[in-house]
Amino acid sequence: SQTIHQWPATLVQPVGSPLSLECTVEGTSNPNLYWYRQAAGRGLQLLFYSVGIGQISSEVPQNLSASRPQDRQFILSSKKLLLSDSGFYLCAWARGGGDRGIQYFGAGTRLSVL
Amino acid sequence: RKEVEQDPGPFNVPEGATVAFNCTYSNSASQSFFWYRQDCRKEPKLLMSVYSSGNEDGRFTAQLNRASQYISLLIRDSKLSDSATYLCVVTPYSSASKIIFGSGTRLSIRP
Repeated sequence: SQTIHQWPATLVQPVGSPLSLECTVEGTSNPNLYWYRQAAGRGLQLLFYSVGIGQISSEVPQNLSASRPQDRQFILSSKKLLLSDSGFYLCAWARGGGDRGIQYFGAGTRLSVL
Repeated sequence: RKEVEQDPGPFNVPEGATVAFNCTYSNSASQSFFWYRQDCRKEPKLLMSVYSSGNEDGRFTAQLNRASQYISLLIRDSKLSDSATYLCVVTPYSSASKIIFGSGTRLSIRP
């Protein structure tokens, strides 16, 4: 069966510090991978998606970047965090070639930038 | 106009009641539709796909109205455990990978 791991669960970082969130998927090959951010009481905002190793598409201009160094690994990074980067970050995967609307989410990272 | 719109609620209904909410979408070429459930401070989880002919899964019924560009979710005999935020999801035909989430409708079931 497929599983998705995302860590850490909670993170408190000072403004200006770097960020690295990691997401890995097990039990499937060549998945589509996604990073979302959810502000408190709001919907999910798609940040990045990837259809393969080294292939990253950005949905919105921002202070963040993403990388996919391996087939089942997706990393979200920032060189200098802003207060506005606070939120609930979710990684998700969907079957490559399948319906991308069927997504499976990690447990999320709650980031507070102070 | 937002691509996907939902009434944020909250819908506050007694246990055992039937509740329904809609989600409208703006792109008539949208390809597929889904309902997700998100519990407080948790990740979203797929509840059900929405098929053109409508579909039912136990107490849950999903319908699609392409002419009026909305999908609906009906919950019968609601349980306390149904309390959650329900997100509708639309995948645009034009994009290879984009998926659009609504902001969610919050449902609270009271004893």
